[in-house]
Amino acid sequence: DTGVSQNPRHKITKRGQNVTFRCDPISEHNRLYWYRQTLGQGPEFLTYFQNEAQLEKSRLLSDRFSAERPKGSFSTLEIQRTEQGDSAMYLCASSISGRAYEQYFGPGTRLTVT
Amino acid sequence: KNQVEQSPQSLIILEGKNCTLQCNYTVSPFSNLRWYKQDTGRGPVSLTIMTFSENTKSNGRYTATLDADTKQSSLHITASQLSDSASYICVVPTGGGNKLTFGTGTQLKVEL
Repeated sequence: DTGVSQNPRHKITKRGQNVTFRCDPISEHNRLYWYRQTLGQGPEFLTYFQNEAQLEKSRLLSDRFSAERPKGSFSTLEIQRTEQGDSAMYLCASSISGRAYEQYFGPGTRLTVT
Repeated sequence: KNQVEQSPQSLIILEGKNCTLQCNYTVSPFSNLRWYKQDTGRGPVSLTIMTFSENTKSNGRYTATLDADTKQSSLHITASQLSDSASYICVVPTGGGNKLTFGTGTQLKVEL
C-alpha cells in the first residue's frame, strides 16, 4: 500500500501528558498537511510543509503543538501538556506542490485525552 | 471569510433510494470544488472534483453538479447501498490553493 499512513491509529492519554503522532506521506509528494477533526465537524487546517519547510501554521496551532518534517519525508506532530479539548482525529494529507488541491488523506490518529 | 456550508446535516434513507446533498460556498477566488466521502474512523477519500467550467460530473452512482454563478454544488447518489453510509464533505481550496476549506459534512445513513 503506497498511500498515506499514520501511526498510531488510536491514542489514549491522560491530561498533561505529551503525545507524538507520525505521518508517512506518499513517497513522491513534497507537500504534507496536518488537520484536526472533531466529532461532527469537517477537518480544520493546522499546518503544512513543503519538503522540510513549514510554510504556514493556523491559529489553531497553539504553543503546545509542534510539527516537524526534518528530512522532507515523514512528519511528526507533538502535543505537549495535553488537554481534554485536544481530543480529536488528527489527519495527515499529502500532495504534489503544483496540485495542492489534490490532497490524499491518511486514516487519521484518534486522540482521546482523559 | 471563506466558508463552505452543507445541508442537510444528517440524512437517513432506505436502501435503493436516491438522495441529494447540498453545498454552498463563499470562496474567492474559486478554482475547483471537491466532494469527499469519509467513513467513520477513516480519512476522507475523494469522490469527484468540479472545476470552474464544469457543470456536471459523474462517478458511478455519484453525480456532482456545480453552479459557479450561485456558488452552489450538489452531490446526487442514486440507488443507494448500505456501504454509502458515511459523511460526505464538500471541500474548496483556499489560501491561494495551498490549503483546503472543508464543510461540516452531511452524515448519510442508508438503512434496510
